[in-house]
Order: sequence, then structure tokens, then C-alpha cells
Amino acid sequence: GEDVEQSLFLSVREGDSSVINCTYTDSSSTYLYWYKQEPGAGLQLLTYIFSNMDMKQDQRLTVLLNKKDKHLSLRIADTQTGDSAIYFCAERGRAGNTGKLIFGQGTTLQVKP
Amino acid sequence: DARVTQTPRHKVTEMGQEVTMRCQPILGHNTVFWYRQTMMQGLELLAYFRNRAPLDDSGMPKDRFSAEMPDATLATLKIQPSEPRDSAVYFCASEKLEANTGELFFGEGSRLTVL
Repeated sequence: GEDVEQSLFLSVREGDSSVINCTYTDSSSTYLYWYKQEPGAGLQLLTYIFSNMDMKQDQRLTVLLNKKDKHLSLRIADTQTGDSAIYFCAERGRAGNTGKLIFGQGTTLQVKP
Repeated sequence: DARVTQTPRHKVTEMGQEVTMRCQPILGHNTVFWYRQTMMQGLELLAYFRNRAPLDDSGMPKDRFSAEMPDATLATLKIQPSEPRDSAVYFCASEKLEANTGELFFGEGSRLTVL
């Protein structure tokens, strides 16, 4: 079935780059997403990538997609204390962009000053 | 500004009591999801609706949970009877399918504690 796996915790120093990794199982996924959850709040979409792309850059965020290995990563350049949050990787289910969104367990990013 | 609204934000109840959580999706969004978040299980999809019709509720314990959309502006999630293991944060999210981005808009969640 569909499954998304992430490491649970990452700690970095302010100013360093953070790389959060994710693996997924559904090779038919057409959309892959990164969501951010700040304490006490719901999830917010950070960025997404179509499966026919291998990289997407948006300011400090870089998303890399390796379809062969079903591996997705999120790089945050110049990480700030405000980036401390839980980051969720997600894929659409088998119905393409109309299916349910399957989330990973979330990676807690801790940014130390 | 447009947002998904969930009530109550916090609920403490005793085992065996009925709990109803409500969600107002963003106007014009035609797909509504219910997720449950716990430390142990992470984010689990309980059910989702499109144009008010249930599409998938396979993640929901059928014996005690029920989800409905009485109209396009209201989704409800009911637990009867509640149990301590139901303690979690319950999120509602909505989506405008035609937007074709796959972006879900989440509410702030309902934190449920069952004693």
C-alpha cells in the first residue's frame, strides 16, 4: 500500500543548512508535498513538486526528487530559529491529484541559536 | 481572510461521553478531510468527503466514530462513546479540487482529552 517514511528528528545550528529526507512507496504519485506545522497550529503547505520534475527551488527552500529511488528531500538554506517546526512529507494516493493525501510521521526540526 | 474553522479548540471529557467536533471548510472548497494526530501514530486520515459525499472512511473506527457533512458549510466528527485512547488532536482540512495544486488548508485542530 501507500506509505511515506521520514526520520523523526533533526537538530541544526542557526545559519546552517537543514536537509529533511523522505521516502515513499507509490510510484504513481504525481504530486509530492512538504507541509510545515508550527506548535499549536495546523499544517501549512510549504512547497510541492510534480513528479516530472527533479528539482524545485523557492527562496531558501530546495526540493529534490529522485523518482527512481522514490526519495524526496527538503533543503532549507540559512536555517533560522523561526524554522523550528515539524515538517511533513506527503504524497497523493493512487488516484493522482484527486486522491487522499498520505503523510509521513513528520520530522521535528530543532534550530539552536 | 478565508480559513478553516474548527470547534471546539479544546475539549476535556470523561470516558463514555459523546464528543462532537465541528468544521467549517473554506467557502467554495468541495473536499473535506478529517485527520487525527497523536505522538505515537502521527497524522492519520480518518475520513474524507467530496461534494458532501463520503469517499473514504476506512481509517475510522466504525463502531464509535461517525463523520457527516449535513451541508457544504459544516462537517462533523462524532465519537460515541469516547475512550481514553481517542485523546488526540483532530484536524479538519479542506481543498478546492479544481485548483489542481493539491493544497490542503488545515484548521487549527480540536485537542481532545478523554479521562
